[in-house]
Amino acid sequence: EIVMTQSPAALSVSPGERATLSCRASQSVSSNLAWFQQKPGQAPRLLIYGASTRATGLPARFSGSGSGTEFTLTISSLQSEDFALYYCQQYYNWPDTFGQGTKLEIK
Amino acid sequence: EVQLVQSGAEVKKPGESLKISCKASGYSFTSYWIGWVRQMPGKGLEWMGIIYPSDSHTIYSPSFQGQVTISADKSISTAFLQWSSLKASDTAMYYCARRNLYGNAGLPDYWGQGTLVTVSS
Repeated sequence: EIVMTQSPAALSVSPGERATLSCRASQSVSSNLAWFQQKPGQAPRLLIYGASTRATGLPARFSGSGSGTEFTLTISSLQSEDFALYYCQQYYNWPDTFGQGTKLEIK
Repeated sequence: EVQLVQSGAEVKKPGESLKISCKASGYSFTSYWIGWVRQMPGKGLEWMGIIYPSDSHTIYSPSFQGQVTISADKSISTAFLQWSSLKASDTAMYYCARRNLYGNAGLPDYWGQGTLVTVSS
């Protein structure tokens, strides 16, 4: 099973600033990497797939990059609605596995 | 409109059985895989398994193989997750999710609202 490790566990950023979230895979997953956002009391929402392709309707301030074992989710100018939990997930090998999450908090 | 509506919260005792459901509407139920995801209290997300309702072909995560049973009834557009003997460690939120094709892979695009299962003596 591929282990996904996210860092940091929590990140405090001011609205309007940039946030950079990292995700590392225990072995190469090529570009088979997705990012999800989860808000309290809600189901996760798909943001990015193929490491860098935004899901339909996702604002351009969200961008994903990376391949192999190292990936990044960048939110260029944080809005109030962006403060949430973010998970990366690999889908290179079954079972698809998630990282433990990064909590993005308001500074 | 695509919707996945899950059954309500459950409180059970260790050793009891349970079957929770996920009713789909707004799309062709037999054309998409549906999966179940566990989220233990304060923890991350884990895929338990996926099923293709057209032929009930099911793939389990090794961690959940033999621990749960995933099924589907295409006559009522509903997927199920069941346990024969619950443990306290099964306490979690359980989500169903439709998997759509993104490139050559299935990823969840619609989710149920979650079913909270609490197992306590």
